Amino acid sequence: GAVVSQHPSRVICKSGTSVKIECRSLDFQATTMFWYRQFPKKSLMLMATSNEGSKATYEQGVEKDKFLINHASLTLSTLTVTSAHPEDSSFYICSARDNEGPAFFGQGTRLTVV
Amino acid sequence: AQTVTQSQPEMSVQEAETVTLSCTYDTSESDYYLFWYKQPPSRQMILVIRQEAYKQQNATENRFSVNFQKAAKSFSLKISDSQLGDAAMYFCAYRAGTYKYIFGTGTRLKVLA
Repeated sequence: GAVVSQHPSRVICKSGTSVKIECRSLDFQATTMFWYRQFPKKSLMLMATSNEGSKATYEQGVEKDKFLINHASLTLSTLTVTSAHPEDSSFYICSARDNEGPAFFGQGTRLTVV
Repeated sequence: AQTVTQSQPEMSVQEAETVTLSCTYDTSESDYYLFWYKQPPSRQMILVIRQEAYKQQNATENRFSVNFQKAAKSFSLKISDSQLGDAAMYFCAYRAGTYKYIFGTGTRLKVLA
């Protein structure tokens, strides 16, 4: 399958600071990228969908000013958690797909806000 | 609205035996895709198998196969000759067109040695 690389795998940040998570498609052009949040022992909750070169589409209840998504190229999307708070601590996962195939997932990022 | 339901929170299977994980979905679309993803303890989501709704033939990938019943909106995953490495969370997912995926709540599979 195709390779999607997500970085960092773990990050700890102080409350009030911002943290950026990168998602890269290594061997295909990702026209669409998805960002999910996963709570312990729960399913994936879609936060937003981004298409290269256009604004992300956020799911209901997700604050777009808090979770900034940029999909500036066909191989890179970033999620920036702004002014992070302890309740933002979670496991964040990206996935990417081209126009034809299924979505492939990054390794996930465990964010801890202290 | 489309929904995906996995009614089995947890399943167990003896090593080398066969297990079937259930998934049902609801949609008014006629053209869509269905997937099974595996999430081991590493939490990396791995594509196991996929099925295009317009194909009547059930998809097969080595020890993994599906029973796709379009009229019943059912999409079960059969794992044959279960191995210890198959232990994971399994998520059923639906996608219509080029848009977003909808995931079920997952089934935790335990493989007993």
